[in-house]
Amino acid sequence: GENVEQHPSTLSVQEGDSAVIKCTYSDSASNYFPWYKQELGKRPQLIIDIRSNVGEKKDQRIAVTLNKTAKHFSLHITETQPEDSAVYFCAASYGAGSYQLTFGKGTKLSVIP
Amino acid sequence: DAGVIQSPRHEVTEMGQEVTLRCKPISGHNSLFWYRQTMMRGLELLIYFNNNVPIDDSGMPEDRFSAKMPNASFSTLKIQPSEPRDSAVYFCASKISGNTIYFGEGSWLTVV
Repeated sequence: GENVEQHPSTLSVQEGDSAVIKCTYSDSASNYFPWYKQELGKRPQLIIDIRSNVGEKKDQRIAVTLNKTAKHFSLHITETQPEDSAVYFCAASYGAGSYQLTFGKGTKLSVIP
Repeated sequence: DAGVIQSPRHEVTEMGQEVTLRCKPISGHNSLFWYRQTMMRGLELLIYFNNNVPIDDSGMPEDRFSAKMPNASFSTLKIQPSEPRDSAVYFCASKISGNTIYFGEGSWLTVV
């Protein structure tokens, strides 16, 4: 089955700096890579996703890049703000409509004002 | 849309008691998932239903766990008997065709 590794497990940045979270996956058949943000005591919420036919996707201060050859993808947050503090999870799945979404262990991001 | 609705939000129970968690998926969604989240193991898929039929229950930890989906708008996850190691946040999630999974707010279970 799929295995997703996520690094780092914790990340502290100064407000206004950039944050980068990296994930690797094992199954070359995976073609869908979402990122979820989970605030303390809340549910995971989708913030951005990318499919394997795209190398990069951007949404305001958030961007995701995908390297299919190396089987890794990354989340980039620019101009970080205190409200970006949360746990971020990457995930991978394969097949159109596949149900099997494998999650990374999460990265706790702290943005220091 | 109200999103995925779970109940109870918090439950504290004694070891050996039966626990029933409930979920109402987003209207029109045909796939439903039960996940368990712990610090040690992260987010784990317990069971997946498609069109009310259990498709994959390989993540259910043991026979003490069971799940049902009697209709398109309701599912339950039952633990009987409960043990302290079952303490976790249990998330229900749903989706329609495509890949985006929407999570409920979770049920925080503590077994003492």
